[in-house]
Amino acid sequence: KAGVTQTPRYLIKTRGQQVTLSCSPISGHRSVSWYQQTPGQGLQFLFEYFSETQRNKGNFPGRFSGRQFSNSRSEMNVSTLELGDSALYLCASNVDRVGYGYTFGSGTRLTVV
Amino acid sequence: GIQVEQSPPDLILQEGANSTLRCNFSDSVNNLQWFHQNPWGQLINLFYIPSGTKQNGRLSATTVATERYSLLYISSSQTTDSGVYFCAVTSYNTDKLIFGTGTRLQVFP
Repeated sequence: KAGVTQTPRYLIKTRGQQVTLSCSPISGHRSVSWYQQTPGQGLQFLFEYFSETQRNKGNFPGRFSGRQFSNSRSEMNVSTLELGDSALYLCASNVDRVGYGYTFGSGTRLTVV
Repeated sequence: GIQVEQSPPDLILQEGANSTLRCNFSDSVNNLQWFHQNPWGQLINLFYIPSGTKQNGRLSATTVATERYSLLYISSSQTTDSGVYFCAVTSYNTDKLIFGTGTRLQVFP
C-alpha cells in the first residue's frame, strides 16, 4: 500500500512570503503529525491532527498552522517566513496515537532566502 | 518532559563489523521506535518496540522498559547502513514523539 506522501519535495521561498506543505497519510490512518528538523534543534514536534481536529501543538509561534481534511490529508502553513524557518519538514501518519508505530514521509526541504 | 539520550553520538565502522546503539529515556513510555534517516532525509521505521526483543534480518532491538533503555544491534554492517539512527518515544504524559539526538553511523568498505 502507498506510504506517506509529502509534496513538494523541495521549496525555495523569500523571507516574508508564506508557504503551504501537503501530506497524504497512509490509507486508513487518521492521525497526522508534523515535525521540523534543523541542524541546531533536531527533530521538533509541530502539531498533530486526528479526524480533522488538532489534538496537540508544539512550542512554535502562531505563524505555523495546520489543518486536516475529511480524507485525512493534512496541510501545514507558515506565514511571514523567516530565515530560521529553513528546515526539513516531516509528516508522520498513524492509525491512532498509541499502540501503533508512526510512518514518516520523505519530507519537504524548505529553504528561505 | 521526558528526556531521550542516545549514545554514542558518532560511530565509524568497517564493513562487516557489529555495533550496538543505545537509547536511554527518563520516564515510562508507551511507544518506542527506532528510525534510520537516509541521506535524502526520510525517516525509515526500523522497529516499533515499547518492550521486548525483535529481529529483522541483520538488525535486532531490545527494550527493557523497567530499566528505561533500548538497544539497537547491527550485525555485519554494510555501507548502506550509513546514516543517522534515531530513537523516539511517547510517554503516558505526552502524545508526541520525542526524539533523541541520534547516532551518526558511517560504514566504510
